[in-house]
Amino acid sequence: KAGVTQTPRYLIKTRGQQVTLSCSPISGHRSVSWYQQTPGQGLQFLFEYFSETQRNKGNFPGRFSGRQFSNSRSEMNVSTLELGDSALYLCASSLDRGDQETQYFGPGTRLLVL
Amino acid sequence: SQQGEEDPQALSIQEGENATMNCSYKTSINNLQWYRQNSGRGLVHLILIRSNEREKHSGRLRVTLDTSKKSSSLLITASRAADTASYFCATDAKNTGGFKTIFGAGTRLFVKA
Repeated sequence: KAGVTQTPRYLIKTRGQQVTLSCSPISGHRSVSWYQQTPGQGLQFLFEYFSETQRNKGNFPGRFSGRQFSNSRSEMNVSTLELGDSALYLCASSLDRGDQETQYFGPGTRLLVL
Repeated sequence: SQQGEEDPQALSIQEGENATMNCSYKTSINNLQWYRQNSGRGLVHLILIRSNEREKHSGRLRVTLDTSKKSSSLLITASRAADTASYFCATDAKNTGGFKTIFGAGTRLFVKA
């Protein structure tokens, strides 16, 4: 099976712009979670989608949003970019999001905001 | 905010030596998992230990969990240069929306050949 894929892998934006990142989960996986990784804050949970519904959300401002499509592919959007949004954005998929489920991570999208 | 605190922050050892990393957490958990990350890439799942388990082995990995102390340790035996990476613990806690994963700050391991 193909792994989790994320596009684009690298992105440079300027402050005030918006960005959309895409994540394709492993075939058959219905849960997709998004994480932000920065040197200062580490890995932080953004949100989780299951069957096109946001099921869980971290402590991020409303500028961060996401959605999931019927094929389980997910996108996250960041509007009005700030310098502090520069980070590695990781998505992870699992069959469901039960407590024994392993999450499989994609390679990440590295976003640089100038 | 981070739930897990890991120590040491960085660890440098020689090939063949054992590496031990520790993780502490704050709230009740359903399970604890360890992940490896190479050079800012995606995370690779290593091992999951349930809250009712005390020890688990997988190849050269040994994980312990002490829920009374809210701590876990990861031991890598007979380390190899290829083990050089960052290691993160992650806890799954159930909330109204499902499960939320909280990662520790990570330990950077350097294995010298």
